[in-house]
Amino acid sequence: AQKITQTQPGMFVQEKEAVTLDCTYDTSDPSYGLFWYKQPSSGEMIFLIYQGSYDQQNATEGRYSLNFQKARKSANLVISASQLGDSAMYFCAMREGVGTGNQFYFGTGTSLTVIP
Amino acid sequence: DTGVSQDPRHKITKRGQNVTFRCDPISEHNRLYWYRQTLGQGPEFLTYFQNEAQLEKSRLLSDRFSAERPKGSFSTLEIQRTEQGDSAMYLCASRDSQNTEAFFGQGTRLTVV
Repeated sequence: AQKITQTQPGMFVQEKEAVTLDCTYDTSDPSYGLFWYKQPSSGEMIFLIYQGSYDQQNATEGRYSLNFQKARKSANLVISASQLGDSAMYFCAMREGVGTGNQFYFGTGTSLTVIP
Repeated sequence: DTGVSQDPRHKITKRGQNVTFRCDPISEHNRLYWYRQTLGQGPEFLTYFQNEAQLEKSRLLSDRFSAERPKGSFSTLEIQRTEQGDSAMYLCASRDSQNTEAFFGQGTRLTVV
């Protein structure tokens, strides 16, 4: 089974609007971390936001927030007030057993295009 | 500190040749990861080092692939007898025990012709 599923290959959003990128995950480990990365056309993976499985509150980092629904095993990324520079690929990732060196599992990504 | 550095950024090689990539992690990051990313896909895990010890290897890492991290600093990834299917972006990432996230380099894009 896929560890991370991103069902939206491509998304469009109007500049200044909010957009939600979907991510579901699969793990039986009670301790895990969820991550979102942005990959512009230059190729570098840029860390955006992190949510730990034991965190009680949804993570927020500036215009990024993570809508964490543990029972549904979903970790959607919300980008508010979209900007043209937000156009990029977005990857959801998970690492099990936070505190160890375990690998990150990535989804297939969502291509976001911000329309002026 | 300028982040994770990878060299070269691009490599074109003929099928059957050997190639070696280098990754310099962020200073004092003891954990280092190699990933492979093909077009339209997310990064796939290849291998993981903690200091100089290679602690995890993916089944994707065939016997043509070898990775080292001498002295727990920089790392190299070698691919022997390259095949066209090896064409991909090879990403390196590092973190220390205080970080939850990994910091990625800009990758090495390999094209096998």
